Amino acid sequence: EAQVTQNPRYLITVTGKKLTVTCSQNMNHEYMSWYRQDPGLGLRQIYYSMNVEVTDKGDVPEGYKVSRKEKRNFPLILESPSPNQTSLYFCASSPGHSSYNEQFFGPGTRLTVL
Amino acid sequence: AQKVTQAQTEISVVEKEDVTLDCVYETRDTTYYLFWYKQPPSGELVFLIRRNSFDEQNEISGRYSWNFQKSTSSFNFTITASQVVDSAVYFCALSTTMDSNYQLIWGAGTKLIIKP
Repeated sequence: EAQVTQNPRYLITVTGKKLTVTCSQNMNHEYMSWYRQDPGLGLRQIYYSMNVEVTDKGDVPEGYKVSRKEKRNFPLILESPSPNQTSLYFCASSPGHSSYNEQFFGPGTRLTVL
Repeated sequence: AQKVTQAQTEISVVEKEDVTLDCVYETRDTTYYLFWYKQPPSGELVFLIRRNSFDEQNEISGRYSWNFQKSTSSFNFTITASQVVDSAVYFCALSTTMDSNYQLIWGAGTKLIIKP
């Protein structure tokens, strides 16, 4: 089944404790992206990747890191989480570099930073 | 600047009523794509429709229909004979060829509550 998976789905952590949210897609998609969803703001892009070893900042990259060592995986790293990073996070992938392409979303990761 | 506005924060209707969710967008690009996604209480994002800027034909899919009007920069979504299962947050989103991020620009969402 074609899908984007994220782990964990739920995470409660404390300020400053490094964490990684994994994202994997099995559709051989080139483009992958991370969004965060906050009430009243919709989704905002954190980072994106056009292909392996090619990543770039989105609109809200502060406090996050990403890597793209393999085509299928695009982990989101919070080196020192803070309470303002409490949010619902979505990973997305799409077949190519075009605004036409539908983005396929993972199930979301609900993160709480205390 | 590119922007999507969903002015209705929350709409509540009784089952079987028709309901329209508004979406207004801003872009200087002439080639762009508009999307609607549904987010049920379980939290996942469900793709509903994609429309490109050159196709102003209205679209109907069962009880769902979409009205795209470039003259008013709107892409409204109507649910006919609403059902309780339609309760969700609905997002309108925009993607343009000017945006090198190929990201989706999202509206804030409209929470739709269908009462039995």
